[in-house]
Amino acid sequence: DVKVTQSSRYLVKRTGEKVFLECVQDMDHENMFWYRQDPGLGLRLIYFSYDVKMKEKGDIPEGYSVSREKKERFSLILESASTNQTSMYLCASSKPGTGFYGYTFGSGTRLTVV
Amino acid sequence: GDSVTQMEGPVTLSEEAFLTINCTYTATGYPSLFWYVQYPGEGLQLLLKATKADDKGSNKGFEATYRKETTSFHLEKGSVQVSDSAVYFCALGPLDNFNKFYFGSGTKLNVKP
Repeated sequence: DVKVTQSSRYLVKRTGEKVFLECVQDMDHENMFWYRQDPGLGLRLIYFSYDVKMKEKGDIPEGYSVSREKKERFSLILESASTNQTSMYLCASSKPGTGFYGYTFGSGTRLTVV
Repeated sequence: GDSVTQMEGPVTLSEEAFLTINCTYTATGYPSLFWYVQYPGEGLQLLLKATKADDKGSNKGFEATYRKETTSFHLEKGSVQVSDSAVYFCALGPLDNFNKFYFGSGTKLNVKP
């Protein structure tokens, strides 16, 4: 069964900490995405990557960075966590030219910053 | 620009009731339309899709028709079950070569026995 795996389901971090959220896919997909999900706001795109070492800003990149050193792994980094980054984070992947199949999502990481 | 608008929730229904969740969209091109479902504590799963106008997507008793004339993709089910309780997201895409999608804000469905 093909998968997108997010390393943690729940995380609690302190304000100011550097936080790494990891996402791994086993489908050989070129495109990977990080979204955050907040009540009433739906899913908002933070960053995406279309190839190793390539990244593009989404709609809300402020306070975040990403890393894609290997095709299967896409990391989201909160450089200095703040309470307004408490949210559900969702990773997704897809293959170019197959957008009509939609995304494959991970199970999500619920991050609480205290 | 491209966008998706969903009806606000939560929607509360009794078991076996008829379900409609409204979704309308604006798009400059000819995207595909999708419904995703998110069960409590989980990520999003693709429920159904339609790739062109007048297509009907269906899965697990749910269905939605891509209506270009009304720019809508409403989700329907004839008889809901308690197990259908979840958050439902309407989405459109891909919007570019990177397969970007736009998602609606989600509609929470509560089904009571």
